[in-house]
Amino acid sequence: DTGVSQNPRHKITKRGQNVTFRCDPISEHNRLYWYRQTLGQGPEFLTYFQNEAQLEKSRLLSDRFSAERPKGSFSTLEIQRTEQGDSAMYLCASSPVDRGLIDTQYFGPGTRLTVL
Amino acid sequence: AQKITQTQPGMFVQEKEAVTLDCTYDTSDQSYGLFWYKQPSSGEMIFLIYQGSYDEQNATEGRYSLNFQKARKSANLVISASQLGDSAMYFCAMRRYGGSQGNLIFGKGTKLSVKP
Repeated sequence: DTGVSQNPRHKITKRGQNVTFRCDPISEHNRLYWYRQTLGQGPEFLTYFQNEAQLEKSRLLSDRFSAERPKGSFSTLEIQRTEQGDSAMYLCASSPVDRGLIDTQYFGPGTRLTVL
Repeated sequence: AQKITQTQPGMFVQEKEAVTLDCTYDTSDQSYGLFWYKQPSSGEMIFLIYQGSYDEQNATEGRYSLNFQKARKSANLVISASQLGDSAMYFCAMRRYGGSQGNLIFGKGTKLSVKP
């Protein structure tokens, strides 16, 4: 059972460029989450999917951010016209659908974005 | 609104000793889950332990135990017999159950350093 994988692990880009990150969840996990973590803070929720449906988006997810999970398997997070404030670690997590109250989210290694 | 508070930015513990990391939470929900994650310098969030709001017994997982005091809204993590590999950031998190919300709310974390 492989864990959550994310690519790339590191991305350096110039302000104004577009970037796209990929997340491959644990197989058969229905739910997939994106979080952003800045230095010295805990992760902050961005959005999540159940299968291919995007069920919730945070206010942090500005119009420049878009996420997809077209076939209910892997997901992509795109940031358009990057800004220096977008520099952060982007974490992906997956979990099985709720059966009872336990719904543990398992995280990937993250993609560290640096916007110059 | 839900909130997690971790008041200890950093903690030191001697190898082989026990350490308690504090976590208090604020919620008006009756049904919720509390999680602890470990984040080594590599960046990946590693799930440690879970406590449901209706669980009457404190959760334990190997050297980790969760001291759950519902009336005080605290969910402290106890690590027994600390090891050098325990040095990392530790995050307390909460999620609510019911409705469409599936995301975790994280605290700011506690940096644990284990001294040989």
